[in-house]
Amino acid sequence: QKEVEQNSGPLSVPEGAIASLNCTYSDRGSQSFFWYRQYSGKSPELIMSIYSNGDKEDGRFTAQLNKASQYVSLLIRDSQPSDSATYLCAVNNFGNEKLTFGTGTRLTIIP
Amino acid sequence: DGGITQSPKYLFRKEGQNVTLSCEQNLNHDAMYWYRQDPGQGLRLIYYSQIVNDFQKGDIAEGYSVSREKKESFPLTVTSAQKNPTAFYLCASRASRDVGVTDTQYFGPGTRLTVL
Repeated sequence: QKEVEQNSGPLSVPEGAIASLNCTYSDRGSQSFFWYRQYSGKSPELIMSIYSNGDKEDGRFTAQLNKASQYVSLLIRDSQPSDSATYLCAVNNFGNEKLTFGTGTRLTIIP
Repeated sequence: DGGITQSPKYLFRKEGQNVTLSCEQNLNHDAMYWYRQDPGQGLRLIYYSQIVNDFQKGDIAEGYSVSREKKESFPLTVTSAQKNPTAFYLCASRASRDVGVTDTQYFGPGTRLTVL
């Protein structure tokens, strides 16, 4: 079992709809959770970080964390073609020096 | 203008050559990391460093070497012992390991290495 799992996609969503990206993790001690966006040929950029159970909203993005079920999700509202990218989920345990990354979900927004 | 810089952006190497990739940060971050990314795959950790003059192997350290003589700099050398070095190399830094905003890793723009 992979430590951090994501559906590789591709996930296709019509423009203006909600895109839902999911990530599950195996380490119950995980405390920090991150979503990065990576455009083709570019480096990852941080979209959201979340540390507590529940929802965290930032503009069109909402991160949801459920530690009991060991999953974290990212919702993108009013999806735009510029949201087309690979989204990486990353998880960290308290005091751990390393992030564990999923392999990413490729999202395509269809105009 | 704070951030992480990597150079060069593109690098071509002949088989049997060692090459060094540069990573510099002016964010005053303690920790620095090197990752490798192959097409369609996730990030794999090569080496990381929490403090100056100290570094640890990641998951795929064979064929690579690093140094951390200054807080701002963490160069990666890809040696001839690395059998399949063609990849996208990413450097990252983190302020501290404390849970919260400071444990976020930020990435440089990357170096694309091609072996000819």
